[in-house]
Amino acid sequence: DVKVTQSSRYLVKRTGEKVFLECVQDMDHENMFWYRQDPGLGLRLIYFSYDVKMKEKGDIPEGYSVSREKKERFSLILESASTNQTSMYLCASIVGGPGTEAFFGQGTRLTVV
Amino acid sequence: GESVGLHLPTLSVQEGDNSIINCAYSNSASDYFIWYKQESGKGPQFIIDIRSNMDKRQGQRVTVLLNKTVKHLSLQIAATQPGDSAVYFCAVLSSGTYKYIFGTGTRLKVLA
Repeated sequence: DVKVTQSSRYLVKRTGEKVFLECVQDMDHENMFWYRQDPGLGLRLIYFSYDVKMKEKGDIPEGYSVSREKKERFSLILESASTNQTSMYLCASIVGGPGTEAFFGQGTRLTVV
Repeated sequence: GESVGLHLPTLSVQEGDNSIINCAYSNSASDYFIWYKQESGKGPQFIIDIRSNMDKRQGQRVTVLLNKTVKHLSLQIAATQPGDSAVYFCAVLSSGTYKYIFGTGTRLKVLA
């Protein structure tokens, strides 16, 4: 079974802190994604990566950056956390090429106080 | 821009009845569709998918129907069980892209 693992289930951070969310997949998938999920808004794409060191902005990249130094690991960075970044963050990966299933991690619920 | 909408934020059904959850999409170039189930505190899990060259696909107790004419997708769950209680949302992908567009989700409540 494909496994997508996010490093934390719950995080509480202070405003202004730099926050790292880590995601690891074990199936050699080329494409990895970071979404945030908010009530009434569904999943919104923050960033995605189609290869090591390659990244593209999604629909809401402001306030975030990403890092993909190794194929299996995709990190989301909140440069200076703000309260409006309190959300559920979901990482996903797909094997390669469009039209294939996205596998999700269990999610990280981040609260910024 | 592209959008995906679900018709009802909440759906309550009696245990044993059939459930139908709907999704509408805007982009006629969409060619791959997935239904996900998300239980409380967990990440989304794949249920079933369908490609645009099909109009129906069946799994175990689930059926997905695709109507490309009206750009409508539905998930049917037969003999709904308490374990089916979750948020269900559809994801739509257009040919040549990596960007899924997700619906906002319908919360299915199963009444005993």
